[in-house]
Amino acid sequence: TQLLEQSPQFLSIQEGENLTVYCNSSSVFSSLQWYRQEPGEGPVLLVTVVTGGEVKKLKRLTFQFGDARKDSSLHITAAQPGDTGLYLCAGGKGGKLIFGQGTELSVKP
Amino acid sequence: GAVVSQHPSRVICKSGTSVKIECRSLDFQATTMFWYRQFPKQSLMLMATSNEGSKATYEQGVEKDKFLINHASLTLSTLTVTSAHPEDSSFYICSATNRGNEQFFGPGTRLTVL
Repeated sequence: TQLLEQSPQFLSIQEGENLTVYCNSSSVFSSLQWYRQEPGEGPVLLVTVVTGGEVKKLKRLTFQFGDARKDSSLHITAAQPGDTGLYLCAGGKGGKLIFGQGTELSVKP
Repeated sequence: GAVVSQHPSRVICKSGTSVKIECRSLDFQATTMFWYRQFPKQSLMLMATSNEGSKATYEQGVEKDKFLINHASLTLSTLTVTSAHPEDSSFYICSATNRGNEQFFGPGTRLTVL
């Protein structure tokens, strides 16, 4: 059983479209992080959310942490080909990071 | 800041040989480092947690005699894949935790065992 369910696992959209990636769990996390990974490279931290209900914006990316600290979402506005990559959510628990399955995003020009 | 390096970036070896991968935190001291394994198109799987000066803690199903971890200093951890076999071929990624408890990842090491 996956502790962090990430959806969708694959997403192929046209440039300019909006999208949302979800990360859900039945467990409470002390923090939740979003990463972006390109092929052959390590994940790069995008944001950390720690407070229930918190919303953070990073240019066209909006991150939200659920009130109960069990779920999170990543919304991308007007996606661009440069947004293509693997997006990973990870929850902090007992000093470790628990990763979701990842969302493979492809943005076509 | 918060840069983590890995060496080598890719390695090809023959079956039965041992391979050592280094993970360094370049501009901060990391009391804890983590080692992950990632198969193509999949997420990261935690293999072990490495604390400086103490034995590594391995996740369930990870053989500690197969994957030897040494955390020699606050900036260096090494993973040695002993007697490597083709099924050990994978992308190995380390991460290091700063004082704010954020994890920063290395660029990964692609291991191919022939």
